[in-house]
Amino acid sequence: GENVEQHPSTLSVQEGDSAVIKCTYSDSASNYFPWYKQELGKRPQLIIDIRSNVGEKKDQRIAVTLNKTAKHFSLHITETQPEDSAVYFCAARNILTGGGNKLTFGTGTQLKVEL
Amino acid sequence: DAGVIQSPRHEVTEMGQEVTLRCKPISGHNSLFWYRQTMMRGLELLIYFNNNVPIDDSGMPEDRFSAKMPNASFSTLKIQPSEPRDSAVYFCASARGRSTEKLFFGSGTQLSVL
Repeated sequence: GENVEQHPSTLSVQEGDSAVIKCTYSDSASNYFPWYKQELGKRPQLIIDIRSNVGEKKDQRIAVTLNKTAKHFSLHITETQPEDSAVYFCAARNILTGGGNKLTFGTGTQLKVEL
Repeated sequence: DAGVIQSPRHEVTEMGQEVTLRCKPISGHNSLFWYRQTMMRGLELLIYFNNNVPIDDSGMPEDRFSAKMPNASFSTLKIQPSEPRDSAVYFCASARGRSTEKLFFGSGTQLSVL
């Protein structure tokens, strides 16, 4: 099955700096890569996603890049703000043998934006 | 729309007791997922239903865990008997179609087994 590794597990940045979180996946057939943000005590929420036929996608201060050859993808947050502090999860989707598909999550990155 | 609704929000029980977690997906969503979240293992998929049929239950830890989806608007995850190592946050999520894109998560159930 798919294996998703995420680094770093914790990340501390100064407000206004950029933050980068990296993930690798094992199944070359994986075709969809979302990122979820989970604030303390709350539910995970989708913030951005990218498909395997696209190399980069941007939405305001956040962007995701995908390198299919190397099987890794990254989340970039620019001009970080205190409200960006949360746990961020990457995920990769692969197709199941019997149909349907499965989303495998990374272990999460705790991002702290300091004033 | 009220989003994905889970109950209870918190459950404290003693080892050996039966625990039932409940989920109401977003209306119109026909894929439903149960995830377990722990510090050590992150978010783990337990089981995934599409149109009320289990598609992948390979993540269900053992026979003590069972899940049902009797209709499009309700699902349960049952643990019998519960053990302290089952303590975790259990999330239900739903999505449109057969896809796992754009999952909407519920607020989760914090389970503590003493």
